[in-house]
Amino acid sequence: DTAVSQTPKYLVTQMGNDKSIKCEQNLGHDTMYWYKQDSKKFLKIMFSYNNKELIINETVPNRFSPKSPDKAHLNLHINSLELGDSAVYFCASSPTRGAWFQDSPLHFGNGTRLTVT
Amino acid sequence: AQTVTQSQPEMSVQEAETVTLSCTYDTSESDYYLFWYKQPPSRQMILVIRQEAYKQQNATENRFSVNFQKAAKSFSLKISDSQLGDAAMYFCAYLGRGAQKLVFGQGTRLTINP
Repeated sequence: DTAVSQTPKYLVTQMGNDKSIKCEQNLGHDTMYWYKQDSKKFLKIMFSYNNKELIINETVPNRFSPKSPDKAHLNLHINSLELGDSAVYFCASSPTRGAWFQDSPLHFGNGTRLTVT
Repeated sequence: AQTVTQSQPEMSVQEAETVTLSCTYDTSESDYYLFWYKQPPSRQMILVIRQEAYKQQNATENRFSVNFQKAAKSFSLKISDSQLGDAAMYFCAYLGRGAQKLVFGQGTRLTINP
């Protein structure tokens, strides 16, 4: 009954490879996000989708491409991986704005630790 | 753009004692929300407490309470009767009323000494 689930939990790969991280939420939320947590634990938003439409695209290299096939899924594809891409990537979803104060504004997955060697 | 600053990278406290984590933020908005999230070693992000800027009363959730000083743009978290399970990274976060995203501080690592 996991609310926001992302796979894989750990991902170790070599520089130059292409990899994907999948995220699914069963909360019925319209909005989903990708956050990156670097080695210093700083959490920074990368992308946000609302009902399959991209609404936030922060300054992220275009090697990163999010894809939302439906509002319950938001996947992250990364091309030509670099050492600096090593981080923990969190998927999150949020309820409608009116519910943000009865509910948490963000429901996080448990993160995917990406290690690029 | 809004920024959130947590000036204490690390804090430690003896079990059963009280600790306060600091957070300041910068905004030109008058209506917004503030949050504290906890991230234990399991990496899970857990909402601890929230505060609406228009409410003068400080939020409390069991052993967790905040000191919200709107004029000073300060939002500190007090943990009373610290327990070993409180050991985690704590993140302060800001959400503007019309915003689409949470802005997080750098985090404070809290260690509980038995």
